[in-house]
Amino acid sequence: AQTVTQSQPEMSVQEAETVTLSCTYDTSESDYYLFWYKQPPSRQMILVIRQEAYKQQNATENRFSVNFQKAAKSFSLKISDSQLGDAAMYFCAYRSGGGSGYALNFGKGTSLLVTP
Amino acid sequence: DAGVTQSPTHLIKTRGQQVTLRCSPKSGHDTVSWYQQALGQGPQFIFQYYEEEERQRGNFPDRFSGHQFPNYSSELNVNALLLGDSALYLCASSSYRDYNEQFFGPGTRLTVL
Repeated sequence: AQTVTQSQPEMSVQEAETVTLSCTYDTSESDYYLFWYKQPPSRQMILVIRQEAYKQQNATENRFSVNFQKAAKSFSLKISDSQLGDAAMYFCAYRSGGGSGYALNFGKGTSLLVTP
Repeated sequence: DAGVTQSPTHLIKTRGQQVTLRCSPKSGHDTVSWYQQALGQGPQFIFQYYEEEERQRGNFPDRFSGHQFPNYSSELNVNALLLGDSALYLCASSSYRDYNEQFFGPGTRLTVL
């Protein structure tokens, strides 16, 4: 089974600064998808950004971007111009691209604190 | 457009009891997945329902079962509750057109005493 590792239980960033959250994964598959989800204190999980493994270009969504290093099996999330509303748990997730790959495999999460 | 809804919000049960959690998917979605999120952990996949059938199952015992109705809503049933079943249970819906777009509900917090 694929495993997803988030080695930073907690991170802190000041407003307007940039922070990078780390994620590594273990897989023997060549076709897969990677995601970053945000879970604010209200609990509802929100998709932040996604990356298809076959795409070499790193995904970007406004202030959020990823650094996808396929050979290193690394998928980090960069948040630029951090805002107070970015404070949340962030989960990295993996989904197989095969015909039976419907489940999301999540890491343990990184708690992001944003200070004024 | 209502997103994914779950009921109840909170639930307290005792060991050995049975519980049923409910989920209504986002409008236009036909697939429902269930996840268990223990305190301080990432969600763990329980199973997914599509066309009223269980399509994929995670590493959970048979005490966990589910159902999907013709209107795509779904139930998660847990029998013979254990203390370790205490968790946040999340429902996620998606469409067969794009399984990468999974929308999560707010969850049901289950406490087993």
